[in-house]
Amino acid sequence: AQSVTQPDIHITVSEGASLELRCNYSYGATPYLFWYVQSPGQGLQLLLKYFSGDTLVQGIKGFEAEFKRSQSSFNLRKPSVHWSDAAEYFCAVANTNAGKSTFGDGTTLTVKP
Amino acid sequence: DTGVSQDPRHKITKRGQNVTFRCDPISEHNRLYWYRQTLGQGPEFLTYFQNEAQLEKSRLLSDRFSAERPKGSFSTLEIQRTEQGDSAMYLCASSLGDKPQHFGDGTRLSIL
Repeated sequence: AQSVTQPDIHITVSEGASLELRCNYSYGATPYLFWYVQSPGQGLQLLLKYFSGDTLVQGIKGFEAEFKRSQSSFNLRKPSVHWSDAAEYFCAVANTNAGKSTFGDGTTLTVKP
Repeated sequence: DTGVSQDPRHKITKRGQNVTFRCDPISEHNRLYWYRQTLGQGPEFLTYFQNEAQLEKSRLLSDRFSAERPKGSFSTLEIQRTEQGDSAMYLCASSLGDKPQHFGDGTRLSIL
């Protein structure tokens, strides 16, 4: 069975600082991996996805993520955080690009001025 | 492209009542998914349709839950005899073929 672990429940960073959100997955085959962002009371917005090819993927809003098969990780990064990035971030794994997704429990990002 | 639309945005009901939610996917999206999200957790898969066919149901979907997509366009999710544990955000997503899913803003259900 596929599963996702996001070890950090809550992260606080200062505006302008770099950010890394951790994601570890468990999946038997080659996974489709996703990062989503959710603002309070809203649905999920896709930031980026990985299936194959270059292990460093670029997404929207200046985010990137790196797939490391040996570590079963897909960590999300941003070089300089903006106050508007404060939200909840979810990592997800699926068996196809549009298959049912299994989500982690999320990481809440707080941005200090 | 008007996005995935869910109605209502909020529903408050008494325990034991039946509730029905509606999801209108992005037009021409042939796949439609329902997820449930409780506080502090990520969304959990409930069921999905390809056109009008319901292809998979999670074990989370007890016999009190039923979902339909009668004409392969909008979908409804009904919960009968609601219980306190049904309080959650119910999210709908749609996709076109093998493209990634687009999510609606959800219906928040509160059981009194």
